[in-house]
Amino acid sequence: SQQGEEDPQALSIQEGENATMNCSYKTSINNLQWYRQNSGRGLVHLILIRSNEREKHSGRLRVTLDTSKKSSSLLITASRAADTASYFCATVNSGGSNYKLTFGKGTLLTVNP
Amino acid sequence: DTEVTQTPKHLVMGMTNKKSLKCEQHMGHRAMYWYKQKAKKPPELMFVYSYEKLSINESVPSRFSPECPNSSLLNLHLHALQPEDSALYLCASRNLGGGRQNYGYTFGSGTRLTVV
Repeated sequence: SQQGEEDPQALSIQEGENATMNCSYKTSINNLQWYRQNSGRGLVHLILIRSNEREKHSGRLRVTLDTSKKSSSLLITASRAADTASYFCATVNSGGSNYKLTFGKGTLLTVNP
Repeated sequence: DTEVTQTPKHLVMGMTNKKSLKCEQHMGHRAMYWYKQKAKKPPELMFVYSYEKLSINESVPSRFSPECPNSSLLNLHLHALQPEDSALYLCASRNLGGGRQNYGYTFGSGTRLTVV
């Protein structure tokens, strides 16, 4: 079953603009991760934020986590055409098996040159 | 080597065929995964192996049979598949070190399977 729900489902912006994607989840988590997928190929791990962290940066990426609202956001600053891809949040639940990585529905980002 | 390698990249098989998908990694990761992804959908977990033992089977039909011969290799044996099994099959691996849940996963590029 899917854990995360991304919002929006699709986002189209101009190069140089910032892109913000949101993710909500339902159960307690150990961590939340963001992945990128180009054209239905393999997923690339972008960033991981632990349940006791509130914000994390990596290059042009900024991730926030609000465990009280069970939500996360991914901000891509100064977007480029090469950022065009599908972006998925994924969670590892706390308790039980922590081997499972469960994906949300994803946001399709299009960056227009 | 920081990659997960999947072969073949594309596979077309008939419903009576037997085929296998292969996944290999040399990062010392002791958890390996099979995911299935339909078009415009998120990946769905099928199987998890940890320390070469099957730890999770997400109620996958028996026409899919996983195998983990060693810590570097993961296979998915396919038999009597249906057209609706056509999808992208993704393999992933993860480190199981200390604080083991707080590691990102490394995915392969996938095998695009078409069942005719």
